[in-house]
Amino acid sequence: KAGVTQTPRYLIKTRGQQVTLSCSPISGHRSVSWYQQTPGQGLQFLFEYFSETQRNKGNFPGRFSGRQFSNSRSEMNVSTLELGDSALYLCASSLYGVVTGELFFGEGSRLTVL
Amino acid sequence: DQQVKQNSPSLSVQEGRISILNCDYTNSMFDYFLWYKKYPAEGPTFLISISSIKDKNEDGRFTVFLNKSAKHLSLHIVPSQPGDSAVYFCAADNSGGGADGLTFGKGTHLIIQP
Repeated sequence: KAGVTQTPRYLIKTRGQQVTLSCSPISGHRSVSWYQQTPGQGLQFLFEYFSETQRNKGNFPGRFSGRQFSNSRSEMNVSTLELGDSALYLCASSLYGVVTGELFFGEGSRLTVL
Repeated sequence: DQQVKQNSPSLSVQEGRISILNCDYTNSMFDYFLWYKKYPAEGPTFLISISSIKDKNEDGRFTVFLNKSAKHLSLHIVPSQPGDSAVYFCAADNSGGGADGLTFGKGTHLIIQP
């Protein structure tokens, strides 16, 4: 069974630009959640989508947004990029969502903001 | 305010010996705990979990212990193998609330020496 697929794997942007990251969950999984990993803060929860609805949201500014499509694929968008947005963005899927705990992560999209 | 703390950024253990990774939490609402393992350039993979109704869960070489009164959990790996060298993340969830996704610690880099 194919795992969680994230694209692109690596990207470089400049301050002020915007970026869209994509995540295809494991087939049959309806929950997709996004995490930001930085060396100083570890893994921090961004948001979770379930059946096209944002179900949970972490403590990030409104520049971070996401959506989920009817096929469960998800995208996250970061507008007006700042240097501090440089991080590894991880997508995770699960059958029922974060409440059950076990998440299956993709390899991540590494964003560098110059 | 970090709710899940892994106070050892790194740990070095000799092959064949026991590795003990520690994790402390502050939020008494957490009732489900997980350990994830992460290799470089890969997403975290689920290792083992424990519900707050238990104090021990075992899976092969991996055992997680939970001490609710001390708000402390630990992961024991016996015997340690070279392939265990990775970053280990402790994570916690409030299954009743669910608003914040999983809360992760910053990770402990385990190095198994031959």
